[in-house]
Amino acid sequence: AQKVTQAQTEISVVEKEDVTLDCVYETRDTTYYLFWYKQPPSGELVFLIRRNSFDEQNEISGRYSWNFQKSTSSFNFTITASQVVDSAVYFCALSETLNTGTASKLTFGTGTRLQVTL
Amino acid sequence: KAGVTQTPRYLIKTRGQQVTLSCSPISGHRSVSWYQQTPGQGLQFLFEYFSETQRNKGNFPGRFSGRQFSNSRSEMNVSTLELGDSALYLCASRHAGGRDEPYFGPGTRLTVT
Repeated sequence: AQKVTQAQTEISVVEKEDVTLDCVYETRDTTYYLFWYKQPPSGELVFLIRRNSFDEQNEISGRYSWNFQKSTSSFNFTITASQVVDSAVYFCALSETLNTGTASKLTFGTGTRLQVTL
Repeated sequence: KAGVTQTPRYLIKTRGQQVTLSCSPISGHRSVSWYQQTPGQGLQFLFEYFSETQRNKGNFPGRFSGRQFSNSRSEMNVSTLELGDSALYLCASRHAGGRDEPYFGPGTRLTVT
């Protein structure tokens, strides 16, 4: 069975601090996809990034960066110079791969609530 | 391009009633998935439809059902509502599966009294 663990339930930082959100996953699939989503108070899940199991390159997008390490089954997310607008719940997710090789359902972690204050 | 739309956004129902929620995917997307989000259980997968066929199903009782139409729009139905069905129901669409990512709608918040 697939599993995603986000051990940090809640993190509070002061604006401009860097913050890293941890994600550890378990899967028996050799091909899989990992995702990060942001959920602001409005409730909609906003897609941030997708990473497939064959691509261990780290990625940077503006103030956001992701560190994928297959050896430790981790896919961590760092926000540099955090801002108040970053306050939200962040979810890490892992896709299940069907027998056809198609990615299907997402298994989500329990989420990390990030509070950025002035 | 318009995003995923869900209707209604809010719904209040009584125990024992049934409810139908609707999801319109992003134009061109053929896969629609449904998720239930509750404070206790988090985000849980309900089912996925692709080309009008259910492609995958989560561990929910038979009271939860869904369907997809030829235009890829999807509906989910919950019969004989229970208090525990109160949740945010999120719909996600993706092009076809595989390497693309699911995009989520704003959700329907269902309250069962």
